[in-house]
Amino acid sequence: EDQVTQSPEALRLQEGESSSLNCSYTVSGLRGLFWYRQDPGKGPEFLFTLYSAGEEKEKERLKATLTKKESFLHITAPKPEDSATYLCAVQAGSGNTPLVFGKGTRLSVIA
Amino acid sequence: NAGVTQTPKFRVLKTGQSMTLLCAQDMNHEYMYWYRQDPGMGLRLIHYSVGEGTTAKGEVPDGYNVSRLKKQNFLLGLESAAPSQTSVYFCASLFGGRSASKQYFGPGTRLTVT
Repeated sequence: EDQVTQSPEALRLQEGESSSLNCSYTVSGLRGLFWYRQDPGKGPEFLFTLYSAGEEKEKERLKATLTKKESFLHITAPKPEDSATYLCAVQAGSGNTPLVFGKGTRLSVIA
Repeated sequence: NAGVTQTPKFRVLKTGQSMTLLCAQDMNHEYMYWYRQDPGMGLRLIHYSVGEGTTAKGEVPDGYNVSRLKKQNFLLGLESAAPSQTSVYFCASLFGGRSASKQYFGPGTRLTVT
């Protein structure tokens, strides 16, 4: 059974304090790993797709990396507006199978 | 493009009542999904569709039915609502293709069953 585990459940950072969120996964043939951001009361918003181990993608203060067992979302010098829940999801197999989501990491950045 | 829209945004039902949630997308996407999101449980897939006229069960399908009569619409029905169905419901869609593609999510429907 495909599984995604995110850690920590919640993270509180001071503005400018860099850190990383972890997404560990077990899947039978990774097709893609996705990161989403979700603000309170809103739907998840797409951030990145990673396809193979060693791949990295960046967007502003965020950088996502992928190994064969886990993905990290690195947040460099975060600002209060980066506060949100970050969701990780995997897609397995060779077709467009449904995504399997982790429970998310709730990030709070304090000014 | 409006993207993915959901109707209604909020609803309060009494136990035993029925209702239908509507999801619409204007991106010509093949795949559509219904999720529920509960505190501490993450996003759980209820039902999904891989194309017009098709539906399939997800992780938590009991108590729900769906229909995809038109490509752009995906309806989620609750025939006899229960308090355990109090949740936030999200619809999503994706184009589909040879490589993994991202899902686009709607803004959600907050449902309370009393």
